[in-house]
Amino acid sequence: DAKTTQPNSMESNEEEPVHLPCNHSTISGTDYIHWYRQLPSQGPEYVIHGLTSNVNNRMASLAIAEDRKSSTLILHRATLRDAAVYYCILSRDYGQNFVFGPGTRLSVLP
Amino acid sequence: AAGVIQSPRHLIKEKRETATLKCYPIPRHDTVYWYQQGPGQDPQFLISFYEKMQSDKGSIPDRFSAQQFSDYHSELNMSSLELGDSALYFCASSLLGFNYGYTFGSGTRLTVV
Repeated sequence: DAKTTQPNSMESNEEEPVHLPCNHSTISGTDYIHWYRQLPSQGPEYVIHGLTSNVNNRMASLAIAEDRKSSTLILHRATLRDAAVYYCILSRDYGQNFVFGPGTRLSVLP
Repeated sequence: AAGVIQSPRHLIKEKRETATLKCYPIPRHDTVYWYQQGPGQDPQFLISFYEKMQSDKGSIPDRFSAQQFSDYHSELNMSSLELGDSALYFCASSLLGFNYGYTFGSGTRLTVV
């Protein structure tokens, strides 16, 4: 399975943008890039996913490098409720289980 | 919108007892996944089912078994419980082949004493 590398932790100020990086240098051409987040004592929550093109939804944006070896999850205006562990996960196709790595623990300061 | 329902939310069992965790996927979702998350750890994949057949298997102990029923709900059966089985157990569901994310339930917190 292709692996991802994320910083252990990041800090952001409330109402500022946050860029969460993910390296996946061994990604294959058919791997989707998924982002999930997990708040304390809750199940992981879907944030966004993409294949090659940048993606936007109401929660975040996903910027994918041209060579697809890295991606960045962008939270446009961080709120206190965005404090969570963010996981970047590769999946070959739908139906394949997700392998959760350590993720990035995001702290949002008021 | 309907979410993934897990029951019970909390469960306390003694060592060597058995436990059954239930998962009700989002309607029309055909794939169910089970994950175990120990204290301070990341979710670990246990097992998945597609259309009532086991589709993938992770680090699930032999003491655990699971199945998906005709109504697509799934049950995780755990026998000879050990203290180390204390964890959050999450179920997720998805619709295979469609461009949706996986939806996770709120989990069952199992405490083995």
